[in-house]
Amino acid sequence: EPEVTQTPSHQVTQMGQEVILRCVPISNHLYFYWYRQILGQKVEFLVSFYNNEISEKSEIFDDQFSVERPDGSNFTLKIRSTKLEDSAMYFCASCLPGLAGVLSYEQYFGPGTRLTVT
Amino acid sequence: GENVEQHPSTLSVQEGDSAVIKCTYSDSASNYFPWYKQELGKGPQLIIDIRSNVGEKKDQRIAVTLNKTAKHFSLHITETQPEDSAVYFCAASKVRGYQKVTFGTGTKLQVIP
Repeated sequence: EPEVTQTPSHQVTQMGQEVILRCVPISNHLYFYWYRQILGQKVEFLVSFYNNEISEKSEIFDDQFSVERPDGSNFTLKIRSTKLEDSAMYFCASCLPGLAGVLSYEQYFGPGTRLTVT
Repeated sequence: GENVEQHPSTLSVQEGDSAVIKCTYSDSASNYFPWYKQELGKGPQLIIDIRSNVGEKKDQRIAVTLNKTAKHFSLHITETQPEDSAVYFCAASKVRGYQKVTFGTGTKLQVIP
């Protein structure tokens, strides 16, 4: 069964450093998302991406964050200058709108990247 | 924006008993309500979902109910098994434009053998 993959599984970085989290969505999916989950808390939406542009972003997704789909397979989240409070699990998700009248809204989540900022 | 509340935060049941998790949402425009199961070290996995034009949906031991008027929805797991132990999240979304999913706070379910 196709799945969303994410690399690395764990990233440790120092405050102020740039990090890039990578995701490979399911190949025929069209919508892409990043969420984050601070330890013990709920999953929070960061950004959605469709047709090579951001379709929606949350208040968390400030100027320090950016997303890119550099080629036909990867979807990346960049944090320019990490802060301690960026420490969290970051999940990528993708979605394929239904085709031929069969609607599907399911977002498929990857296993996550644990980001630790020291 | 949408706010999803979920109760209880933890739930322990004996194997074979039923488990019920309840959620409320605030935005009457939300029309898609997925439930996710998150096992340790993994991402959320969809287990069942319901759309606003349906009041109830069942899939084997799992059922969801939706009360649009009260903005309540619930997850029912019958005949619980140890492998049902996980964190469960309810969520709400407006599917038009495939918008973000707003998650509830999560329920840690422990099924005691």
